[in-house]
Amino acid sequence: AQSVAQPEDQVNVAEGNPLTVKCTYSVSGNPYLFWYVQYPNRGLQFLLKYITGDNLVKGSYGFEAEFNKSQTSFHLKKPSALVSDSALYFCAVRDPIKAAGNKLTFGGGTRVLVKP
Amino acid sequence: KAGVTQTPRYLIKTRGQQVTLSCSPISGHRSVSWYQQTPGQGLQFLFEYFSETQRNKGNFPGRFSGRQFSNSRSEMNVSTLELGDSALYLCASSFGTAPSYEQYFGPGTRLTVT
Repeated sequence: AQSVAQPEDQVNVAEGNPLTVKCTYSVSGNPYLFWYVQYPNRGLQFLLKYITGDNLVKGSYGFEAEFNKSQTSFHLKKPSALVSDSALYFCAVRDPIKAAGNKLTFGGGTRVLVKP
Repeated sequence: KAGVTQTPRYLIKTRGQQVTLSCSPISGHRSVSWYQQTPGQGLQFLFEYFSETQRNKGNFPGRFSGRQFSNSRSEMNVSTLELGDSALYLCASSFGTAPSYEQYFGPGTRLTVT
């Protein structure tokens, strides 16, 4: 069975500094990986995905993620964090088995706090 | 395009009652998935429907059920509510089931069981 780990419950960063949110995964077969962000009292908002191809994936709002197969990691990054990036971030993996459909397995989430 | 809508947004029920939550996917999307979000268990997959058929089901008791209509709208039902069912229930829609199709989430229904 697939699994996702987000080792940090919270990440604190000063506005303007680089932001990194870590994610490692375990899956049999080719991984399909996603990042979502959740603001208070809101649903999850899609940021980016890795299906195949370039290891550096660019997404919404200036976010990007680096896929590293050997380290089974998919870390989310932003070169210069904004206060408005403060939110809860989720990494997710999709089961590569076709029969599993769209089922996503999520990590526990990382709360990001960007201080002015 | 309008996003995924969920009704109601907030709900308070008593133990033993049943509840029905509704989800309207993005126009043209045929896949609808449901997730439960709690502080303790995080985000957990409940089930997915595609073209009115349940494709996949998570590890939840039979009290949790769902269905999808011909217009792709979906409902989930929880019978004999327990205190532990208090959660944010999220619905997600997708155009199809290929990995290239990302899922878009609604704002959720906050269910409180007292």
